[in-house]
Amino acid sequence: EPEVTQTPSHQVTQMGQEVILRCVPISNHLYFYWYRQILGQKVEFLVSFYNNEISEKSEIFDDQFSVERPDGSNFTLKIRSTKLEDSAMYFCASSEVGTDQETQYFGPGTRLLVL
Amino acid sequence: SQQGEEDPQALSIQEGENATMNCSYKTSINNLQWYRQNSGRGLVHLILIRSNEREKHSGRLRVTLDTSKKSSSLLITASRAADTASYFCAAGPDSWGKFQFGAGTQVVVTP
Repeated sequence: EPEVTQTPSHQVTQMGQEVILRCVPISNHLYFYWYRQILGQKVEFLVSFYNNEISEKSEIFDDQFSVERPDGSNFTLKIRSTKLEDSAMYFCASSEVGTDQETQYFGPGTRLLVL
Repeated sequence: SQQGEEDPQALSIQEGENATMNCSYKTSINNLQWYRQNSGRGLVHLILIRSNEREKHSGRLRVTLDTSKKSSSLLITASRAADTASYFCAAGPDSWGKFQFGAGTQVVVTP
């Protein structure tokens, strides 16, 4: 069964460093999402992406964050200058179309620890 | 306001018992989905119930939706130790496909 994959599974970085989290969505999916989950808290929406541009972003997704689809398969989340509070599990998701009835398929997540 | 708030926050049961958890949401939705998350792992989609459905079954899972009360319940019957996980509801999506997740119910099933 097709699945969303994410790399790395874990990343430790120093505060102020840039990190890039990578995702490979399901191949025929057109909508892509990033969510994050701070330890012990709920999953929070960060950004949705369609047709090579951001569709919607939350207030969390400030100028330190950016997303890109650099090629036909990868979807990346970049945090330019990490802060301690960026430590979280980051989930990528994709859906076949962005209609109301579609299921989003989530990747296994990247656990980011900022020291 | 928050979409997808679950209760209870934690649930501890014996194997073979049923586990019931609830989710409430604030605004209109098109569907509500339940996910499972094992500790430190990703989200696994369990079941989707559409706004025009009242009940749905999938194996040992039973989901109900009451749009008048803006609430949903997930019932796991005959629980197993392997059902130990956190369960999240996600309400939505909005026009851009975004879901709002609740804080989750942590279920522990003891053998």
